[in-house]
Amino acid sequence: EPEVTQTPSHQVTQMGQEVILRCVPISNHLYFYWYRQILGQKVEFLVSFYNNEISEKSEIFDDQFSVERPDGSNFTLKIRSTKLEDSAMYFCASSEGLRDWPYEQYFGPGTRLTVT
Amino acid sequence: GQQVMQIPQYQHVQEGEDFTTYCNSSTTLSNIQWYKQRPGGHPVFLIQLVKSGEVKKQKRLTFQFGEAKKNSSLHITATQTTDVGTYFCAPRHDKLIFGTGTRLQVFP
Repeated sequence: EPEVTQTPSHQVTQMGQEVILRCVPISNHLYFYWYRQILGQKVEFLVSFYNNEISEKSEIFDDQFSVERPDGSNFTLKIRSTKLEDSAMYFCASSEGLRDWPYEQYFGPGTRLTVT
Repeated sequence: GQQVMQIPQYQHVQEGEDFTTYCNSSTTLSNIQWYKQRPGGHPVFLIQLVKSGEVKKQKRLTFQFGEAKKNSSLHITATQTTDVGTYFCAPRHDKLIFGTGTRLQVFP
């Protein structure tokens, strides 16, 4: 069964450093997402991406964050200057379509980011 | 922004007991999806509800969408240890707006 993959599984970085989290969505999917989950809390939406551009972003997704689809398979999330409060599990998700028919979102296993 | 609350926050049950989690929205929803997240895992899609009053079943799981489309529920009959995890409801507007979740613990 096709699945979303993410690397690395765990990233430890120092405050102020840049990190890039990588995701490979399911190959025929068109819609891509990043979510984050602070330990013990709910999953929060960060950004959605379609047709090589951001379609929606949350308040969390400020100027320190950026996303990119550098080639036909990878989807990356960059945090330019990490803060302690960026420590969380980051999930990538992809979907075949939008709304109506379930078009569920398939989540990757996540990258645990620890900022020290 | 839209708020989706779930109750209870935690539920501990003995294996074989039933379990229900309730999802409430401040606004009318066009749809609601349910996801399950095992401890240490990622959210996994369970089902989507779209119609007012809709009821769907998956083996021991029964999902319901309220008549006013502002609430939803998930009921598990005769829980098993494999049901352990956090259950999230999430209206979908392109992005998913996750509810606060209900963490289910099942004791054998």
